Amino acid sequence: DAKTTQPPSMDCAEGRAANLPCNHSTISGNEYVYWYRQIHSQGPQYIIHGLKNNETNEMASLIITEDRKSSTLILPHATLRDTAVYYCIVRVGSGGSNYKLTFGKGTLLTVNP
Amino acid sequence: GAGVSQSPSNKVTEKGKDVELRCDPISGHTALYWYRQSLGQGLEFLIYFQGNSAPDKSGLPSDRFSAERTGGSVSTLTIQRTQQEDSAVYLCASIRAGARTDTQYFGPGTRLTVL
Repeated sequence: DAKTTQPPSMDCAEGRAANLPCNHSTISGNEYVYWYRQIHSQGPQYIIHGLKNNETNEMASLIITEDRKSSTLILPHATLRDTAVYYCIVRVGSGGSNYKLTFGKGTLLTVNP
Repeated sequence: GAGVSQSPSNKVTEKGKDVELRCDPISGHTALYWYRQSLGQGLEFLIYFQGNSAPDKSGLPSDRFSAERTGGSVSTLTIQRTQQEDSAVYLCASIRAGARTDTQYFGPGTRLTVL
């Protein structure tokens, strides 16, 4: 799996958009970009994933650059409950295969009132 | 819909005792993982179940750890003769197999404290 680089921490004002960057310059053509987050004292939570097209769901939007070497997770209207560590992961996606999820250090997003 | 549930949410035990941790995956999810997460650390893979295939036990740290999955649904992780270093949050995740890509849905975890 390709290595990812994320800033260790970011701050965001409540109600504003939070834009979390991730660099994955060694990504392969068949590797997806996944985002998870972990709120303090809770289990990790899947957010979104994408291959090359931008993706949006009820939680967030994922913008992947054309060369796929970086991406941005966007929380359009951050709330205090979005304070968490956000993890960007790059891996080959295949349903049902054994993938041992591992997290790097991620980005601690703090949403301030 | 209902998510992954785990019980108990907290377990305090004495060194040397056995413990059982339970995971109820999302209905219809055929794959299930156990991980553990120590304070301030990342995820440590323990074991993986996929349908009726033999489980991948390569992450179990010692023979004191075992897990089973009955009827392709509920899973139990058993730790025998617990040690203080077993203290961690034990997380279960299930996956909807057959999807174009797999995503892991986690339960809230069981916080195990071994005194």
